[in-house]
Amino acid sequence: GEDVEQSLFLSVREGDSSVINCTYTDSSSTYLYWYKQEPGAGLQLLTYIFSNMDMKQDQRLTVLLNKKDKHLSLRIADTQTGDSAIYFCAETGGGTALIFGKGTTLSVSS
Amino acid sequence: DTAVSQTPKYLVTQMGNDKSIKCEQNLGHDTMYWYKQDSKKFLKIMFSYNNKELIINETVPNRFSPKSPDKAHLNLHINSLELGDSAVYFCASSQDNGGRPQHFGDGTRLSIL
Repeated sequence: GEDVEQSLFLSVREGDSSVINCTYTDSSSTYLYWYKQEPGAGLQLLTYIFSNMDMKQDQRLTVLLNKKDKHLSLRIADTQTGDSAIYFCAETGGGTALIFGKGTTLSVSS
Repeated sequence: DTAVSQTPKYLVTQMGNDKSIKCEQNLGHDTMYWYKQDSKKFLKIMFSYNNKELIINETVPNRFSPKSPDKAHLNLHINSLELGDSAVYFCASSQDNGGRPQHFGDGTRLSIL
C-alpha cells in the first residue's frame, strides 16, 4: 500500500545545515512535496520536485530525489530559528490526494 | 489577497450539534479538497471535488457531507458532532486533479465539548 515514512524529530544549532529524510512506496507520483507547518498555523507549500528530476535548489533549500531507492530529502542551509516547524513529506501516488508522512519536527537552537 | 480561505478559523461546540465549515479559493483552480489533521498532526484526505464533481470520498462517516456549489467553493457540513471529530480541518485546491501542487487554507480548529 501507499506509505510515506520520515523521522519524527531533528534538532540542530542555528547556522548548521538540516537534512530531513523521507521514504515513499509508490513510484508513480508525478511530483513529490515538502510542506512546512509552523505552530498553530496552516500548511505552507515549501517546495516540490518533478519525478524526472534528481535535484532542485531554491535559495537555502535543496531537494534530492533518488527514485531507485524511493528516497526524498530536504536540506536547509544556514538553518535559522525561524525554520523551527514541522516538515511534511508528501506524494500523490499517481492519484489526486496527497499522502503525507507523519511530519518531522525541526527544532533550531541558538 | 488570500488564495484559499476557510471560515471559521475556530469552532467550539457541543457534542450532538451540526456545524458547517466554508472554503473558497480565488486561484481559478478546478480541484478542491478537505483534509483532517488529528491531534498527533497526522494528515489524511477526506474528500475531493473536481469541477463540482465528487472524485474522492475516503472512509469518512456519513455524518460528514461536502458540497461544492461551484468550482471556487467547497463546504463541509458535519451532523451530530462527536468528541472524536475534534481536529483541524484543512481545505486545499490545485489546478487540476493530476497531482499538481496543492495550496492549503489556514485550517479550521474544531473543538467538541
